Amino acid sequence: DTAVSQTPKYLVTQMGNDKSIKCEQNLGHDTMYWYKQDSKKFLKIMFSYNNKELIINETVPNRFSPKSPDKAHLNLHINSLELGDSAVYFCASSLGLAGLGETQYFGPGTRLLVL
Amino acid sequence: GDSVTQMEGPVTLSEEAFLTINCTYTATGYPSLFWYVQYPGEGLQLLLKATKADDKGSNKGFEATYRKETTSFHLEKGSVQVSDSAVYFCALSDGGGAQKLVFGQGTRLTINP
Repeated sequence: DTAVSQTPKYLVTQMGNDKSIKCEQNLGHDTMYWYKQDSKKFLKIMFSYNNKELIINETVPNRFSPKSPDKAHLNLHINSLELGDSAVYFCASSLGLAGLGETQYFGPGTRLLVL
Repeated sequence: GDSVTQMEGPVTLSEEAFLTINCTYTATGYPSLFWYVQYPGEGLQLLLKATKADDKGSNKGFEATYRKETTSFHLEKGSVQVSDSAVYFCALSDGGGAQKLVFGQGTRLTINP
C-alpha cells in the first residue's frame, strides 16, 4: 500500500488554466505538507496543515489554495497558472508537527508543466 | 532565519570509494537534523536523522553526527555502491516554532561501476 499518494503524476496544461493536485496519506498522520521543487532540485515548503488547520503559509501567491477536507487528505488548487509554476510538487505527512523532529513521508511528486 | 548549506554538486565517485557530503546549518533554536535521499523519479525518503547534539544517525551504511560546536551534520559512507546514486538533501526542523523542514540545495551523487 502506498503511504502517501498523489494524483496526477504528470500534469501538462496551458497558461491561465486552473488545476488541482490531490494528496492522500494512509499513515494516520496529523500533519500534511506541500512542497515545491524547482528545476535545480531546490525544495521549499508551501503549506502545512495540522488536524485540518493551516499552520504554515509560506508567502505563496493567492493563486495557490490548499484544502484539507479531513486529516488524510490535502489538496492543492492552482488558479491562473503561470509559466513559473512549472515544477515538481510534493505532498508529505508526519505524525506530529515538524518542529518536534518528526520524520516526514513524501509522495512520489506531481510534475507540472505549464506551456 | 534558519538555513542549511550543503557542498556543491555534482559529486562523482567510483564504486567502493569513501563518501563525504558536507552540511552546515544556522538555526536560532535547537534543531533536529535530517538527511533525505531522492532516487531518480521518486519522492524523498528519510535516510537518517539526529535530534540532539552528539547524536549519530545511521542507516544503510550511511552515518552523520550532530555537531553543535561546528553546526554541522556531514554525511559519510565508507564504501559506496552504484545503487547509492541519488540526490541527497540535508535538512533541519527547528523546535522553536517554525514547524517546517528547511532544506539544503541538494547534492547529486553519481557512482560509477
